[in-house]
Amino acid sequence: EDKVVQSPLSLVVHEGDTVTLNCSYEVTNFRSLLWYKQEKKAPTFLFMLTSSGIEKKSGRLSSILDKKELFSILNITATQTGDSAIYLCGSGNTGKLIFGQGTTLQVKP
Amino acid sequence: GAGVSQSPSNKVTEKGKDVELRCDPISGHTALYWYRQSLGQGLEFLIYFQGNSAPDKSGLPSDRFSAERTGGSVSTLTIQRTQQEDSAVYLCASSRQTGGREKLFFGSGTQLSVL
Repeated sequence: EDKVVQSPLSLVVHEGDTVTLNCSYEVTNFRSLLWYKQEKKAPTFLFMLTSSGIEKKSGRLSSILDKKELFSILNITATQTGDSAIYLCGSGNTGKLIFGQGTTLQVKP
Repeated sequence: GAGVSQSPSNKVTEKGKDVELRCDPISGHTALYWYRQSLGQGLEFLIYFQGNSAPDKSGLPSDRFSAERTGGSVSTLTIQRTQQEDSAVYLCASSRQTGGREKLFFGSGTQLSVL
């Protein structure tokens, strides 16, 4: 059965800290891995990863995929209170996209 | 439309009643997905559509749940004889197509509360 597992499930840090969120996957006919940020209700897109070893960056956020070990990490440097959210990792094949349990990040001032 | 639209945004119902949740995807998006999110949890896959067809219904929790899509656009998720454990946020998403390399755009969800 396909699955996506995220860790840690929750994390509390202080502003300025660097965090690493983990995502492992087992998906038949893997096509991509996606990261989303959910602050209120609608998750918003962060990254799509399809190839190993190529880092995607957007400001203080970056992500990389390892297709041999079947995992991805999302890094956030110099965290801010506005980074507080649930971070969702999803993986899919040619059809459905399944998500992990999410990591709840709280950044304290 | 400009984004994925879901209605109602909130629904309170009594146990045993039927409910219908609506999703209006981004215009031109052929793929549509339904997810359920319980409090503090991740997204539980329910069903996806490619056009009007649902190739994978494996995530529907029971035969009380059904979904349809007409005209390749609007979709409705119907829950019959609601139970308290059905209380959750139901999220809809759409993408230009399936194929596994398209990002999903999410609606703001329907918060369902079953009393």
